[in-house]
Amino acid sequence: AQSVTQLGSHVSVSEGALVLLRCNYSSSVPPYLFWYVQYPNQGLQLLLKYTTGATLVKGINGFEAEFKKSETSFHLTKPSAHMSDAAEYFCAVSVKGAQKLVFGQGTRLTINP
Amino acid sequence: DAGVIQSPRHEVTEMGQEVTLRCKPISGHDYLFWYRQTMMRGLELLIYFNNNVPIDDSGMPEDRFSAKMPNASFSTLKIQPSEPRDSAVYFCASSHVPGRDRNTEAFFGQGTRLTVV
Repeated sequence: AQSVTQLGSHVSVSEGALVLLRCNYSSSVPPYLFWYVQYPNQGLQLLLKYTTGATLVKGINGFEAEFKKSETSFHLTKPSAHMSDAAEYFCAVSVKGAQKLVFGQGTRLTINP
Repeated sequence: DAGVIQSPRHEVTEMGQEVTLRCKPISGHDYLFWYRQTMMRGLELLIYFNNNVPIDDSGMPEDRFSAKMPNASFSTLKIQPSEPRDSAVYFCASSHVPGRDRNTEAFFGQGTRLTVV
């Protein structure tokens, strides 16, 4: 079975600072990894995904994430935070042949002016 | 495409009443998922369908919950009877797998916020 752990339920950064949201996964087979963002009272929107190939993936809104198999990690980063980045972020995993997504508990990102 | 459409957006009902949540997936998508989101448990997968057939319902909390997908463009999640602990946001999502070896992202609806009083 797959699982996801997001370290830190709340992260607060200053506007313009680096954003780093941590995600570690557990999977006995090669995973597919996703980051979603949820704005208040909205559904989840895909930020980026890793399936195969290049381990550094770029997504929307300037976010990127790197798949590190040796560390079983898929941390999300953005060089410079913007006020509009305030939201909840979810890391998710699926595996080949099983389309369902297993989500982490989420990290709420707050941006300080 | 209008995306995944859920109705109603908000539902307030009394304990013991039947509640039906509805979902229209994106046209052409062959997978449909029902998730529940609460503060305590986060996002939980309740059930998912492939080509209208239920594949995994192990996340359905108990027999009070049931889900159907009578055709490719419609699904329902029913709770009967409802209880206060069912209060949550229920999301429907859909996806399309273009090939056997590739997993793709799920597209989520706006959710239905259910309050059982």
